[in-house]
Amino acid sequence: QQQVKQSPQSLIVQKGGISIINCAYENTAFDYFPWYQQFPGKGPALLIAIRPDVSEKKEGRFTISFNKSAKQFSLHIMDSQPGDSATYFCAASRGYGGSQGNLIFGKGTKLSVKP
Amino acid sequence: NAGVTQTPKFRILKIGQSMTLQCTQDMNHNYMYWYRQDPGMGLKLIYYSVGAGITDKGEVPNGYNVSRSTTEDFPLRLELAAPSQTSVYFCASRRGGDSGELFFGEGSRLTVL
Repeated sequence: QQQVKQSPQSLIVQKGGISIINCAYENTAFDYFPWYQQFPGKGPALLIAIRPDVSEKKEGRFTISFNKSAKQFSLHIMDSQPGDSATYFCAASRGYGGSQGNLIFGKGTKLSVKP
Repeated sequence: NAGVTQTPKFRILKIGQSMTLQCTQDMNHNYMYWYRQDPGMGLKLIYYSVGAGITDKGEVPNGYNVSRSTTEDFPLRLELAAPSQTSVYFCASRRGGDSGELFFGEGSRLTVL
């Protein structure tokens, strides 16, 4: 019940294309769903996050789509650029972490955007 | 802005040796975390702290210890290093309250031979 399943493991997209990464969770108590972006040799950094009271959140070229009934959420990267090449992690938690429960991370998706 | 600083960046240990990974943050964040990252496995929580003097186990605490004597510092101690502890370790902090954002350091790559 504590798992967050992420797919695909790796993804190759042409410049200008749409990158889509999917995650599924089991624990219905989860109510915070962030995505983190990690470049080689660096720590992860928050990209975008959503709470279950909305079905979609957009920030620039990055959009989270959330399906509460299916217990799934996904990251869409529009007009993908070579600079987007990185590893992306989805995560989920009840609250923001601490005594209520801490973030559970997916296993990551390595995105390569070809010029 | 320094943010979260980890030292050392790289270290090679022999089996059975001990060491401490240092982590300090200058954002006055209440929450601090230690994660390990193994290839294809995502990030696993080792220990966390909700404030000075308070620590708790995460998902994979065995073989590690932590302390939090100040708001700024959250060292991770490895006792009797084993090859299974070969990993990249990340320290992170979070302000708390209505903020869920984790701020990560750049990581410490540890190899146990």
